[in-house]
Amino acid sequence: DAKTTQPPSMDCAEGRAANLPCNHSTISGNEYVYWYRQIHSQGPQYIIHGLKNNETNEMASLIITEDRKSSTLILPHATLRDTAVYYCIVREGYSTLTFGKGTMLLVSP
Amino acid sequence: SQTIHQWPATLVQPVGSPLSLECTVEGTSNPNLYWYRQAAGRGLQLLFYSVGIGQISSEVPQNLSASRPQDRQFILSSKKLLLSDSGFYLCAWSVWVETNYGYTFGSGTRLTVV
Repeated sequence: DAKTTQPPSMDCAEGRAANLPCNHSTISGNEYVYWYRQIHSQGPQYIIHGLKNNETNEMASLIITEDRKSSTLILPHATLRDTAVYYCIVREGYSTLTFGKGTMLLVSP
Repeated sequence: SQTIHQWPATLVQPVGSPLSLECTVEGTSNPNLYWYRQAAGRGLQLLFYSVGIGQISSEVPQNLSASRPQDRQFILSSKKLLLSDSGFYLCAWSVWVETNYGYTFGSGTRLTVV
């Protein structure tokens, strides 16, 4: 059973904010929300993670709803280099990373 | 700094031939290590993981095997490759950094079985 649901693809204009949604309605209290991305022919790259508070780092912001059933990854100023598959993953502690199909984000000039 | 090395970058092997892919990690001790595979047009599938020397857990039954002869070395092997073994193989390691048990992936090996 998939723990997360993401749209298969999204488009974004270069320089605009990219908002990638993720539904995780069955998330449990001790599970974190992780985001990774995979640029074509490369290994996945960690972006950000959070439990219940919104988080921001140099790459992105993560907004988690109060009921924790969904979240949004925000790339504030998308560039062509942000074109990649973005994976939203729910996991706790030491559990292994299980990747779904993700969202293919295409950033266009 | 921590780095992960994976080689070769690309490999073309005939059906029935053996396989050995190596992954080494630098700059950390006692990491958990992982092998993932991504078949063409498919998602990332966890094949094996290891929490210590000689300790291997298999996630899917197949003709592949893994070994961890040293703390920072992880090897993926096959005695006889199948066409279905083609794919992009990724090694990863993980350790706790504050609240993040994140994974760092290598650059991958693209294997084509012909």
